[in-house]
Amino acid sequence: LAKTTQPISMDSYEGQEVNITCSHNNIATNDYITWYQQFPSQGPRFIIQGYKTKVTNEVASLFIPADRKSSTLSLPRVSLSDTAVYYCLVPNYGQNFVFGPGTRLSVLP
Amino acid sequence: DAGVIQSPRHEVTEMGQEVTLRCKPISGHNSLFWYRQTMMRGLELLIYFNNNVPIDDSGMPEDRFSAKMPNASFSTLKIQPSEPRDSAVYFCASSPTSGREDEQFFGPGTRLTVL
Repeated sequence: LAKTTQPISMDSYEGQEVNITCSHNNIATNDYITWYQQFPSQGPRFIIQGYKTKVTNEVASLFIPADRKSSTLSLPRVSLSDTAVYYCLVPNYGQNFVFGPGTRLSVLP
Repeated sequence: DAGVIQSPRHEVTEMGQEVTLRCKPISGHNSLFWYRQTMMRGLELLIYFNNNVPIDDSGMPEDRFSAKMPNASFSTLKIQPSEPRDSAVYFCASSPTSGREDEQFFGPGTRLTVL
């Protein structure tokens, strides 16, 4: 089964760059890697998706090495409002997403 | 665009009662998903519709749960009879395509408490 592993929690300070790494050793050839963000009392929100190398949008960057067995979500210069849970998702052999516990990011002043 | 609309936002009911949660997906979206979130189990996919047809209901916990999508703009998730262990936040999400990997847009959720 495709499965992801990411740190349960991380702390950072305002203005710092935050990198959250996700392991997905059994990722299938055609699978994309997707990251969602969830604030308290809200539904998850799509952040970024990628297949290989690097993807960047206005919110974050996603780095994927050649073997695609891991990926790193990079949040530049975080603010207090970036405090949230971040989920790394890989399809379960083409089936539905399985949301793991995610990484709880706390941004401190 | 109003986004995905869910109602009610909060529901408190007693064990044994029927509960109906409602969802209006974003206009033009082809896929609709129902999720349940609890502290213990995290976010679980319950059922997935594509073009109003249930594609995968393997996440529906038991026969007490049922979901329908009578048209492209409305879906319901029903629990009958409800039990305290059904207490959770239920999210509805929609996607503009039928691809399971494509971006899903989540609603604000319905917080259900079964006493």
